[in-house]
Amino acid sequence: RKEVEQDPGPFNVPEGATVAFNCTYSNSASQSFFWYRQDCRKEPKLLMSVYSSGNEDGRFTAQLNRASQYISLLIRDSKLSDSATYLCVVKSGGSYIPTFGRGTSLIVHP
Amino acid sequence: DTGVSQDPRHKITKRGQNVTFRCDPISEHNRLYWYRQTLGQGPEFLTYFQNEAQLEKSRLLSDRFSAERPKGSFSTLEIQRTEQGDSAMYLCASSETDRDEKLFFGSGTQLSVL
Repeated sequence: RKEVEQDPGPFNVPEGATVAFNCTYSNSASQSFFWYRQDCRKEPKLLMSVYSSGNEDGRFTAQLNRASQYISLLIRDSKLSDSATYLCVVKSGGSYIPTFGRGTSLIVHP
Repeated sequence: DTGVSQDPRHKITKRGQNVTFRCDPISEHNRLYWYRQTLGQGPEFLTYFQNEAQLEKSRLLSDRFSAERPKGSFSTLEIQRTEQGDSAMYLCASSETDRDEKLFFGSGTQLSVL
């Protein structure tokens, strides 16, 4: 079983839609969680960290469910510019290494 | 530009040749990571430096791969006797401290092995 799993998609949604992605992780000792965004042929960039209490940044909301070992990303009022690949990243306590999922592709169409 | 820089941006080489890539992290960042990414996959960890010390290396990394960070600043990744399966985007990332775990990535080096 992979350490971090994501549905690769693509998720194809119209502008204005709400879309949610999940990411599951296998190591119960995982302590740090992030969502990165990667545009086509570009490097990944941090979108947001995921805190135990959940956090929100504008149209983006991230949540953590430790009992079920998954994190989620909700995007409200999707924009064309949200089209990208969203990478889930998990880091275990005691490890130096952030582990990436394969990413979920989002396509927002007019 | 004070971001992470990588050189070259693209490298085309013939199978069996050696290649070397360079990464210059953000100057105050003491942590440096190398990842490899192929199409449709997420970045896959290769190796990690804290200052000049190489603290972790992926088990997937064959002995044809070597990395250095001699003075705790820039890093190089060398691949010897390249194979077609080495074709990928090689990404370098840096972060400041353990408290701030955000990774800042360079634009990557796209390697094509013919």
